[in-house]
Amino acid sequence: AQSVSQHNHHVILSEAASLELGCNYSYGGTVNLFWYVQYPGQHLQLLLKYFSGDPLVKGIKGFEAEFIKSKFSFNLRKPSVQWSDTAEYFCAVNAGYGNNRLAFGKGNQVVVIP
Amino acid sequence: NAGVTQTPKFQVLKTGQSMTLQCAQDMNHNSMYWYRQDPGMGLRLIYYSASEGTTDKGEVPNGYNVSRLNKREFSLRLESAAPSQTSVYFCASSEAQTSGRSHEQFFGPGTRLTVL
Repeated sequence: AQSVSQHNHHVILSEAASLELGCNYSYGGTVNLFWYVQYPGQHLQLLLKYFSGDPLVKGIKGFEAEFIKSKFSFNLRKPSVQWSDTAEYFCAVNAGYGNNRLAFGKGNQVVVIP
Repeated sequence: NAGVTQTPKFQVLKTGQSMTLQCAQDMNHNSMYWYRQDPGMGLRLIYYSASEGTTDKGEVPNGYNVSRLNKREFSLRLESAAPSQTSVYFCASSEAQTSGRSHEQFFGPGTRLTVL
């Protein structure tokens, strides 16, 4: 079974600081990669996704992620966070299932202080 | 379009009681999923239905059953609730995978279940 690792479960930072969240997965074949965000009290929404091509993917709200195949990583970044980025962020991987099933990481709880 | 809807939003059960969580989607998606979300555990897949008429176990299926009633609806049943099933339950739907490419999963608002 695929596993997805997200480190630093709790992240606290000030507005305008840069954010980077790590995601590593354990599958050597072709992968489809996603980052989802869950704002307080809401359901999950897609931030960005990677299937193939340019390994630097841009998503909504100024987020981007870089796929590094040799490191089995798909790290999420934002150069300058806002208070409204306070949320939980989940990395998810589809790898070798033969269907659209996803394996999720445990999430990063990000708190941005005004 | 309502997207993915779930009922109820909140539920409190006593140990041993049964209940069914309902989920419906209006996006004509082939695939549907049930997850549970627990603090520090992320989302864990309980069951999924890759297409109408099929269901498969996910990571944590014990204590649950599902029914894919038709293309729109996918219900989750707890036959004899236990305190360990206290959680937030999310339903999701997506297009079926095509040519090895996955599609975005769309999530419902969740059901917060407490088992006493």
